[in-house]
Order: sequence, then structure tokens, then C-alpha cells
Amino acid sequence: NAGVTQTPKFQVLKTGQSMTLQCAQDMNHEYMSWYRQDPGMGLRLIHYSVGAGITDQGEVPNGYNVSRSTTEDFPLRLLSAAPSQTSVYFCASSYMPGANVLTFGAGSRLTVL
Amino acid sequence: AQSVTQPDIHITVSEGASLELRCNYSYGATPYLFWYVQSPGQGLQLLLKYFSGDTLVQGIKGFEAEFKRSQSSFNLRKPSVHWSDAAEYFCAVAPKQNNRKLIWGLGTSLAVNP
Repeated sequence: NAGVTQTPKFQVLKTGQSMTLQCAQDMNHEYMSWYRQDPGMGLRLIHYSVGAGITDQGEVPNGYNVSRSTTEDFPLRLLSAAPSQTSVYFCASSYMPGANVLTFGAGSRLTVL
Repeated sequence: AQSVTQPDIHITVSEGASLELRCNYSYGATPYLFWYVQSPGQGLQLLLKYFSGDTLVQGIKGFEAEFKRSQSSFNLRKPSVHWSDAAEYFCAVAPKQNNRKLIWGLGTSLAVNP
């Protein structure tokens, strides 16, 4: 099993550009989520999904969109990148109904100039 | 408000020494409790979890944690640290009634001296 796969691993954007961070899991997990990790601020939940067609906001959703058309994929879209979105982004999934036991991807490092 | 506190931002221990990382939570009822580890440049990996039952739980890589209800704590321990244990350690809790969002501590960075 590949687990949780995130692409790209590194990305540099200019302010105002858009992009999509991809996340795919092959474990048939219903729950998927996106976090951002910033120094001194720990992990902050951006968006999450409890199944195909169902998404909800986390604690820092502004500037990000998500969709969940399949169980396997949960892309994170930045519509107009800002320097404040420079961060490391992690996708995580769970086999349990809630967020209890998460399997994380390796992360995507995004720099917005 | 619900919160998780990891009082130690950074800890340095010698290889072979024992380790205890502290975690305290603030929540009305006993939540689900977790420890995750993040090696440099990697994603997080679950070390161990507590849902109910025996308050001393064993995890991977020789780690264990003890849940103390009276102290609202879930401290992580290892009797003998290896150089490969150098990493960031995160404590997290999930309310049993609304477990869609984990509440995370800010992490403890562990350095291991040879």
C-alpha cells in the first residue's frame, strides 16, 4: 500500500497565482483532512471530509477550497496565493468514522513570494 | 476552551537516558488521547493511543504513555533513548462525542546527544 500520497513535495508560487495540492489515499479511508504546519503554531486544521461529497471547515479555512468527489482523492486549492500561505501542508486520512487515528502524507512545502 | 499543553518546547537527553515528555489537556470529559512523532522532513506517525481501559498503554518504538485522570495528563515515556528518537513529538486529544477534529499540542522537540 502506498498510504497517503501528496504532490507536489515542493512548490514556489507568486502572490496571486493559483494551484492545487493533491492528496490521494489507497486505504479506503472515509475521513480525510488537510493541515498546515507553521513554526511555533503546531498543526492547524484547514478542511476535512467524512466521505465522498461531504466537506467541512477546520480552524483556518480562509483562502482554501476543497472537494471530495471520490473516496480516494481530496485536493486542496489555493485560488489566489498570499505570502501568509507559505507553509508545510499535510494531508491525513483515517479508517475510523472520526479523526481518531490519522495516517499522514509526507507533506508539501509551499512558498509564496 | 479545550486545549492541549506540552510544557516543554525543547528537550535534550543523552543516548541511553530515560525520557518523559509531558502532556496536559483541558477538557470536561476524558477524551481520546494520542501521541504522534514527526521525524525531520517527514509526516507524522502515530506512536500510541488511549481510548479506554488500562491507563498504561504501549506503543511503537518502545514508547509507553500513562493516562492520569486526576491530573488530566498523558505523559510519554521511554526507558532508554536512541539517537534515532530525535524528532518532534505531538500530543493530541479528540472529544469522544465530536471526534472529527483533533486538538493538538504545539509539540516538543527532542534532541539526543551521543
